[in-house]
Parts: sequence; structure tokens; C-alpha cells
Amino acid sequence: GQQLNQSPQSMFIQEGEDVSMNCTSSSIFNTWLWYKQDPGEGPVLLIALYKAGELTSNGRLTAQFGITRKDSFLNISASIPSDVGIYFCAGQSQGTSYDKVIFGPGTSLSVIP
Amino acid sequence: EPEVTQTPSHQVTQMGQEVILRCVPISNHLYFYWYRQILGQKVEFLVSFYNNEISEKSEIFDDQFSVERPDGSNFTLKIRSTKLEDSAMYFCASSAGGIGELFFGEGSRLTVL
Repeated sequence: GQQLNQSPQSMFIQEGEDVSMNCTSSSIFNTWLWYKQDPGEGPVLLIALYKAGELTSNGRLTAQFGITRKDSFLNISASIPSDVGIYFCAGQSQGTSYDKVIFGPGTSLSVIP
Repeated sequence: EPEVTQTPSHQVTQMGQEVILRCVPISNHLYFYWYRQILGQKVEFLVSFYNNEISEKSEIFDDQFSVERPDGSNFTLKIRSTKLEDSAMYFCASSAGGIGELFFGEGSRLTVL
């Protein structure tokens, strides 16, 4: 079935550094989404991408929908302690209904003050 | 700000017992979902619900699981006879119909003993 892979699995960075994480798939996705999950809470949508090549920003966050429609990246600039959490990519793949959104395994981000 | 609410926040049950998890989606949303997250693992799709019927379900969502929207506001997940491996955080989500833009509740933690 459809599967998403994320890298890195975890990262430890100094406050103020920029962060980059990736999401890839062996199949084409029509929609890419990036969610953040804080401990004990549900995922919160950060950015949604709908078109191949699309580059979208939300404050210090920037995400791109890869041209091949099989990958996406998320960048966080000038990290701060509240950026700590797990970042999930998610997507709806070609050939399925819009009603099935699957999640990647997540990238755990730790920010050292 | 509208939000998805879930009850109970934590339920402990004996193996073989029936469990009902409740969700109140955002009021003008049309698509409803259940996901589960086993501790430390990824968010797994269970089922989506639209127009009073299941629109997609995963392999996890077997005959032990059912969903319904009994009164136009609540959206419930029932596990008929719980197993140890059903222990997880269960997240409800809703969407206005935008592709993949899911809004999640804070989750219901189910512990099966």
C-alpha cells in the first residue's frame, strides 16, 4: 500500500539554527501536508500543498511539493524552543479518494537552548 | 476558535470489553475520521466517514470496529471486544472538505489490560 518515509528520524539542533526535513514516497501524491504533534496532543496542520512545484510559507516554515509529486520538504528557519515536537508529513495519493490521508513515521525535533 | 473535542481523555478497560470513544467534530465540517497512534509510533488511518457512511477504511478497521454519527453532532468509534493490542491513542479528526486539511482532537488514550 501507500507508504511515506521521513528523514531524518530525529534531530537535535541549537536554538537559532535552520532545520530541514524530508518526506518521500514510491507513489505519486496529489496533496502533501505537514503536521506538528506536541506531546500528549493531536497533530496540528502547519502547511498544505496542492500542486507539484508549489512552495508555501507559514511564518518561519517553508514547504515544497516536489516536481515528481513523490516528495516534499519542510524547512524551519531560526529555530526556537517551542519548535520541539514531532513533525509528520501526510498525503493523499493518486488513485484513492480524498477521504484517506496517510501519515509518515515522523521526524522528532529537539531544540537545545 | 472551533475545535474537535474527544471524550474520554483516558479509558482503562479489561480485554474483551466493549469501548465507545466519542468525538464532537467542528460544526460545519462534513468529513470525519478516526486515527490511532500506538505509543511512539506513527499516526495510522482507521476510517473516514462522509454523508452518514464509511467512505474509506484501513486493514486495521476490521469487524471489531464500527463508527456512527447517531445524532448529527457526535461521531463515535466502537470497539466491540477489545484486545491488548488495541491500546493506543485514538484521534478523531474532521475536515470541511478541503483535501487533507484535517483538524484533530486531543485524543482518547485507551489502555486494555
